[in-house]
Amino acid sequence: AQSVAQPEDQVNVAEGNPLTVKCTYSVSGNPYLFWYVQYPNRGLQFLLKYITGDNLVKGSYGFEAEFNKSQTSFHLKKPSALVSDSALYFCAVRDIGKDDKIIFGKGTRLHILP
Amino acid sequence: DTEVTQTPKHLVMGMTNKKSLKCEQHMGHRAMYWYKQKAKKPPELMFVYSYEKLSINESVPSRFSPECPNSSLLNLHLHALQPEDSALYLCASSRGQGGNTIYFGEGSWLTVV
Repeated sequence: AQSVAQPEDQVNVAEGNPLTVKCTYSVSGNPYLFWYVQYPNRGLQFLLKYITGDNLVKGSYGFEAEFNKSQTSFHLKKPSALVSDSALYFCAVRDIGKDDKIIFGKGTRLHILP
Repeated sequence: DTEVTQTPKHLVMGMTNKKSLKCEQHMGHRAMYWYKQKAKKPPELMFVYSYEKLSINESVPSRFSPECPNSSLLNLHLHALQPEDSALYLCASSRGQGGNTIYFGEGSWLTVV
């Protein structure tokens, strides 16, 4: 079965510093990978996705993610963090098992310190 | 425009009440979803409709009853809920089921008393 893991419950980064939120996956076949962000008391917002092509994917709000097939990772990155980036981030993967659906990781809370 | 609209934003209901959550999208998407989310947890898939037919039911209790009246609308009928059903209910849609990007609404906060 397909799965996705976010090894960190929380990441703290000083404002202006680069940030990384980690995600690893386990899929059979080619992965479809997604990142979503959830601000407090809001729904999930789509940030970016990887299906095929360039391993570096650029998304909304200055975020990007690097697909690494050998390490089965899809880490989310941003060169310079903003306090407003503080939110809950979910990595997700397509599961083409019995039912074709998206599976979410447990989420990583990102705190940007002023 | 990637907008999914959910109403109501907040709902408080008793355990004997019947209520409904509503969802609407005008993006021409043919897959629509209901998710349940508890605080600080990932969303849990409940139901998927594909081309207005129920495609996935994740063994959801029958006190939750989905309905897809047309390709733009999705309802979730609630009856005899339990306090543990209190959560954020998220509606979402995508161009099709599977690897397409899923777009979420802002959610309906449900409290069962």
